[in-house]
Amino acid sequence: EVQLVESGGGLVQPGGSLRLSCVASGFTFSSYWMYWVRQAPGKGLVWVSRINSDASSTSYADSVKGRFTISRDNAKNTVYLQMNSLRAEDTAVYYCARDVRGGTCHDYWGQGTLVTVSS
Amino acid sequence: QSVLTQPPSVSAAPGQKVTISCSGSSSNIGNNYVSWYQQLPGTAPKLLIYDNNKRPSGIPDRFSGSKSGTSATLGITGLQTGDEADYYCGTWDSSLSEAVFGGGTKLTVL
Repeated sequence: EVQLVESGGGLVQPGGSLRLSCVASGFTFSSYWMYWVRQAPGKGLVWVSRINSDASSTSYADSVKGRFTISRDNAKNTVYLQMNSLRAEDTAVYYCARDVRGGTCHDYWGQGTLVTVSS
Repeated sequence: QSVLTQPPSVSAAPGQKVTISCSGSSSNIGNNYVSWYQQLPGTAPKLLIYDNNKRPSGIPDRFSGSKSGTSATLGITGLQTGDEADYYCGTWDSSLSEAVFGGGTKLTVL
């Protein structure tokens, strides 16, 4: 059974940092691109970042470029999102998702982890 | 402002049919496959439709998808109260080089 389990969310002050983790199981993790998608309270889904299967290629939404860094450890079946210089507008539930169609389809999602940026 | 445009809400009675539209452009829907996701209250999104009209294993055939030009449509027949959820379309935007989603449509089964 495919599972994605996020962790690392919490309350952080503006300007602070957090590192999110997403542990995968039930599939060959090293064969898949992985995405981070966020959802602000009461709002829709917004793509944040993606990483290819061997970590040689990454990309970011303009809103987080230069502040967030995606990485992965295929030996640990884990994808990370390092978030620095956090702002109030980064407050959201962050989901990791497996990509199976070059960005057009995410077939499995984690349960999400809530990040709250507030003083 | 989402790149893909969906109606904020739709409603229908139990047993009826409803459609949800998703409008985009040539850089996204027009030249890429579309997926649809169901998000029940307080849960993560779940894939309903991929490659415009294919259903993953376990998704009932009450759910269907179609695409024409730069628009896509999700259809749900035999509505049940358990179908009350937010529905999102998604695809890749070749100009933005990023995954894009619609703003979501809240389905109410009256």
